[in-house]
Amino acid sequence: GQQVMQIPQYQHVQEGEDFTTYCNSSTTLSNIQWYKQRPGGHPVFLIQLVKSGEVKKQKRLTFQFGEAKKNSSLHITATQTTDVGTYFCAGDFNKFYFGSGTKLNVKP
Amino acid sequence: DVKVTQSSRYLVKRTGEKVFLECVQDMDHENMFWYRQDPGLGLRLIYFSYDVKMKEKGDIPEGYSVSREKKERFSLILESASTNQTSMYLCASSIQDLNTEAFFGQGTRLTVV
Repeated sequence: GQQVMQIPQYQHVQEGEDFTTYCNSSTTLSNIQWYKQRPGGHPVFLIQLVKSGEVKKQKRLTFQFGEAKKNSSLHITATQTTDVGTYFCAGDFNKFYFGSGTKLNVKP
Repeated sequence: DVKVTQSSRYLVKRTGEKVFLECVQDMDHENMFWYRQDPGLGLRLIYFSYDVKMKEKGDIPEGYSVSREKKERFSLILESASTNQTSMYLCASSIQDLNTEAFFGQGTRLTVV
């Protein structure tokens, strides 16, 4: 099937440090979505990127879509304990295929 | 508020049993999905339905089947449950245009003993 690779698998940071997760596809995506899953919860939509080179911000979160539309990143500036959770990217391929996720732990 | 409801939060079944996981959405969404979530493997697509009675296989359909007789309901069926199907199962729905977000149910933690 289609593959969306995501790294790293785990990230432990001290509160206030920055965090980045990367998503890579072997084929061109028409769009990419990002989701957050809190511990014990279900994935919740954060944002969608559609255009080549697109950058979107949500407060401390910055999302980028690569020029070739094969990769994307999510960067969190100055993490807080409320950022704890697993972050997933999802590429469409006419269905939603999710990356393996990056589990973020933030130490207060 | 979009609501995707899965029939059970926790389920324990015996090996060989036929298991039904039910999912209902209340927003008239065309697309519905079943995923399983395992540590380190993310969300893997089992089956996808884009209309009533229509289905497509995802990455891991073996051992599963689905049923969509009504637009709002999408059922996942484990014909003969096995221990390697112990997992978290997540249902999701979206409108027909895939350039929109998917809404997830709360998940069903299935344990096969």
